[in-house]
Amino acid sequence: QIVLSQSPAILSASPGEKVTMTCRASSDVRYMHWYQQKPGSSPEPWIYATSNLASGVPPRFSGGGSGTSYSLTISRVEAEDAATYYCQQWSSNPFTFGSGTKLEIK
Amino acid sequence: DVQLQESGPGLVKPSQSLSLTCTVTGYSITSDYAWNWIRQFPGNKMEWMGYIRSSGSTSYSPSLKSRISITRDTSKNQFFLQLTSVTTEETATYYCARGSTATAWFAYWGQGTQVTVS
Repeated sequence: QIVLSQSPAILSASPGEKVTMTCRASSDVRYMHWYQQKPGSSPEPWIYATSNLASGVPPRFSGGGSGTSYSLTISRVEAEDAATYYCQQWSSNPFTFGSGTKLEIK
Repeated sequence: DVQLQESGPGLVKPSQSLSLTCTVTGYSITSDYAWNWIRQFPGNKMEWMGYIRSSGSTSYSPSLKSRISITRDTSKNQFFLQLTSVTTEETATYYCARGSTATAWFAYWGQGTQVTVS
């Protein structure tokens, strides 16, 4: 199965900062999806097929990458962005998730 | 809007079977999409378990294939998870989710149900 490694595990940022988190796959994947999860809630769809924002996601979020390396960038972090972000691949069964990057706001 | 709701026992004994129901409202499970089960362990690791498609065909994670079954009741717009011979390590929050058949993009999730194996 394809293993997804997310880094960093914890990301601490001040409001207004630009941040990038990465997701690396053990083999090439066609696309990457991203989810946002806050404590006590279900994962929320966030970015699909590498770079498409889900409905309601602020435009300060963007996604990119190809092959084995993908990223999620927030141009100017806001307090409401505090959450854990998971990547997920669909290129092969089983569909796998990364271990998450927890974004903390200073 | 599409809504999914998991239900089932919150406590299962080791070696027994875990059975959960996902009730879908706002969309027919026979119209389109893949209807998935995903679990999240303590510590937050997530695992895709399998799906049943609108056609009724199923696909399972190879690691669970000998123990998992996903079925449905189209008259009630529900689909089900059965996992046999569970262990304490399968204590987790279990989610049902609607996924794209083309991209496995999970656009709708239930609120999740906590299952403890003890």
